[in-house]
Amino acid sequence: QSVLTQPPSVSGAPGQRVTISCTGSSSNIGAGYGVHWYQQLPGTAPKLLIYGNSNRPSGVPDRFSGSKSGTSASLAISGLQAEDEADYYCQSYDSTLSGPYVFGTGTRVTVL
Amino acid sequence: EVQLVESGGVVVQPGGSLRLSCAGSGFTFDEFTMHWVRQAPGKGLEWVSLISWDAGTTYYADSVKGRFTISRDNSRNSLYLQMNSLRSEDSALYYCAKALNRWEYSRSSFDYWGQGTLVTVSS
Repeated sequence: QSVLTQPPSVSGAPGQRVTISCTGSSSNIGAGYGVHWYQQLPGTAPKLLIYGNSNRPSGVPDRFSGSKSGTSASLAISGLQAEDEADYYCQSYDSTLSGPYVFGTGTRVTVL
Repeated sequence: EVQLVESGGVVVQPGGSLRLSCAGSGFTFDEFTMHWVRQAPGKGLEWVSLISWDAGTTYYADSVKGRFTISRDNSRNSLYLQMNSLRSEDSALYYCAKALNRWEYSRSSFDYWGQGTLVTVSS
């Protein structure tokens, strides 16, 4: 059972803006650990989308943005495109766990 | 170009053992912490284990502790996962992943992933 909770699914029409939440606790996101986001297209390995709450690796479009506040974080996708249809996962660090890396439950984004 | 290539996944009986390998190239392997992450069919991502750049630090998820052992051979740019006492719930696609930052084993993100190797535990 993951310690980071995401909505199972979100959807939007092309061109719209959607957001995905990632809710943690005071031992992970709320403790100041960074939140990272991954995109997993069908049948492929995850790809790093956002690191350190809000930083985009080279090559990631600026339509993707991340933010963090308190014990939660969010990923926003603006100008939604058909190619954005994928699963998205948040990830952070939890110092109270012996295995300290944690992933969110995952969110399926559907482009209507 | 960074590449990670996993191998070793097969069908194995419950209680059996298996060793996965991951060959890295395109980066200075001995400067980065490496991780194993798994994904059961139709399920989400689950972090499994990490090993620091010098093999001095290892961590395991509670679900595999005492059964799995992570190791690396920096002279061969290779990462390994020895899996013992396998259970049906260990069936998954196993990815190796590279930490984003050098000389760091906590708080990191994973900037490169392999394509995964499939482990199926079934009688």
